[in-house]
Amino acid sequence: SYELTQPLSVSVALGQTARIPCGGNNIGIKNVHWYQQKPGQAPVLVIYRDNNRPSGIPERFSGSNSGNTATLTISRAQAGDEADYYCQVWDNRFCVFGPGTKVTVL
Amino acid sequence: QVQLQQSGPGLVKPSQTLSLTCAISGDNVSSNSATWSWIRQSPSRGLEWLGRTYYRSKWYNDYAVSVKSRISINPDTSKNQFSLQLNSLTPEDTAVYYCARGEGATGKLDYWGQGTLVTVSS
Repeated sequence: SYELTQPLSVSVALGQTARIPCGGNNIGIKNVHWYQQKPGQAPVLVIYRDNNRPSGIPERFSGSNSGNTATLTISRAQAGDEADYYCQVWDNRFCVFGPGTKVTVL
Repeated sequence: QVQLQQSGPGLVKPSQTLSLTCAISGDNVSSNSATWSWIRQSPSRGLEWLGRTYYRSKWYNDYAVSVKSRISINPDTSKNQFSLQLNSLTPEDTAVYYCARGEGATGKLDYWGQGTLVTVSS
């Protein structure tokens, strides 16, 4: 079965850039989606199909995907960006989530 | 605007069956471009996709290998909703359960229900 890897945590200084990697075998050929989840809330889609933002998601959120790594980038990090972030792909007919990365804004 | 409203019990006894419902507004369970998934989340398992139902001239289901022998996801076109049944519950099934809409072309899960905490305990 397909597996995704993410670092457990990432720290970023206020106003700086956070990069969250998501590793998977040849993930560059898949559509990667990213979700933000705050405590007690359902996940929210922040990036879809590698680098597309749903309406209402700030331009500070961007994504890329190549080779064996997809990356979610949060520019000019704000306190409100503190959350868990999950990558997700489909492997044949099965949905796979990464283990999640906790982003802390210092 | 699509909204998903979950309902169902928060406490279920071991060996019994969990039944949850997800009512859809703003879309149709029979849509040819959407899929309808159940996902759960626990500290030990993280986000775990359980399965989905969708309509493409006929109804299809896909289920995660981990629960395939115990799960059933069914649409109810008369009420525009879909349901989850998970049987032979153990304490390891304790989790927050979510329903979600998937967009057919990209596979993004763009709308989620509010979540239901299900505790399996006697």
